[in-house]
Amino acid sequence: DVKVTQSSRYLVKRTGEKVFLECVQDMDHENMFWYRQDPGLGLRLIYFSYDVKMKEKGDIPEGYSVSREKKERFSLILESASTNQTSMYLCASSFPIGTALSGYTFGSGTRLTVV
Amino acid sequence: GQQVMQIPQYQHVQEGEDFTTYCNSSTTLSNIQWYKQRPGGHPVFLIQLVKSGEVKKQKRLTFQFGEAKKNSSLHITATQTTDVGTYFCAGRGVQGAQKLVFGQGTRLTINP
Repeated sequence: DVKVTQSSRYLVKRTGEKVFLECVQDMDHENMFWYRQDPGLGLRLIYFSYDVKMKEKGDIPEGYSVSREKKERFSLILESASTNQTSMYLCASSFPIGTALSGYTFGSGTRLTVV
Repeated sequence: GQQVMQIPQYQHVQEGEDFTTYCNSSTTLSNIQWYKQRPGGHPVFLIQLVKSGEVKKQKRLTFQFGEAKKNSSLHITATQTTDVGTYFCAGRGVQGAQKLVFGQGTRLTINP
């Protein structure tokens, strides 16, 4: 069964900490995405990557960075966590948009609480 | 930038009633996808529509893509409690863009 695996289901961090959220996919997908999901705001794109070492800003990149050193792994980094970054973080991957199999596969999510 | 609006935001129905959610884009879409997120779960891909006026069915679910490729709808016939969840549409706008723009979702609740 194809999978997108996020390293933690729940995470509690302190304000100011550097936080790493890891995402690994086993489908050989070129594209990988990081979203945050908040009640009433839907899915908001933070960053995405369409190739190794390539990254593009999404709609809300401020306070975040990403790393994609290998095709299967896409990491989201909160440089200095703040309470307004408390959220559900969802990783997704896909084949290139426009191909027949370009539906996103999402991970189970990481619920991050910053205290 | 491109926006995808989805209505209604919430819908509560009696089991057995029909349900429809609508998706409208500010720009012409290359394709549109639909996702379902169960309570406590993550979004799961349902279908992709590509052609103008396309209609696809999955059992009790009917998906339509508008003639102008700026709107889409998902219709569920005779809802069941297993249909509970949030339904998202997501569209690809500019040719070659590698990201989808998601609607805000329609949350469906069902009275058994």
